[in-house]
Amino acid sequence: DTQMTQSPSSLSASVGDRVTITCRASQSISSYLNWYQQRPGKAPKLLIYAASSLQFGVPSRFSGSGSGTDFTLTISSLQPEDFATYYCQQSDSTLWTFGQGTKVEIK
Amino acid sequence: EVQLVESGGGLVQPGGSLRLACAASGFTFSRYWMTWVRQAPGKGLEWVANINKDGSEKNYVDSVKGRFTISRDIAQNSLYLQMSSLRADDTAVFYCARVRTGIRGGDYYYYLDVWGKGTTVTVSS
Repeated sequence: DTQMTQSPSSLSASVGDRVTITCRASQSISSYLNWYQQRPGKAPKLLIYAASSLQFGVPSRFSGSGSGTDFTLTISSLQPEDFATYYCQQSDSTLWTFGQGTKVEIK
Repeated sequence: EVQLVESGGGLVQPGGSLRLACAASGFTFSRYWMTWVRQAPGKGLEWVANINKDGSEKNYVDSVKGRFTISRDIAQNSLYLQMSSLRADDTAVFYCARVRTGIRGGDYYYYLDVWGKGTTVTVSS
């Protein structure tokens, strides 16, 4: 099975900061990588699919890149509503796995 | 409005069984793969199982194989997760989600675009 490792596990940032989260797959997954945001007590929300496609309705400050084993999620200018936990998820086959999550906290 | 509503969670003793349901509305249920994802208290997301459009293909994470069964009823627009031999480490919020599929270069890719609010399963004596 493909293992997903996110870094960092948590980070502190200020409103307006540029934030980058990394996700690494244990084997090549082409571009079959999705990103989700989860606020406390809420269900996850899809942000990015297929590594770089922005889900409809998601602000353009969110972007994704990468292919193969290394991927990044970038928030260009952090907003108050962006403080949350972010998860990557691989869908290279029909057996899926999530990264362990990255918690973005207020500095 | 596209909506998924989970039900069936509760407190169950170790070794017991529980059946979760997910009612889908606002979209043509038969056109989508569906999936269950769980989240243990204070932990991250864990994919549990998925099922294809007609129910002929089902996949599971290793930790639930032989204990959980995913199914769907097209006529009822419902997804199910039958759970047996439950253990304390199955305690979690269980989410159902709709799966979108796409094709790129001949390969299928999948992403979870609609989620329910979740139902809580607690396994404890």
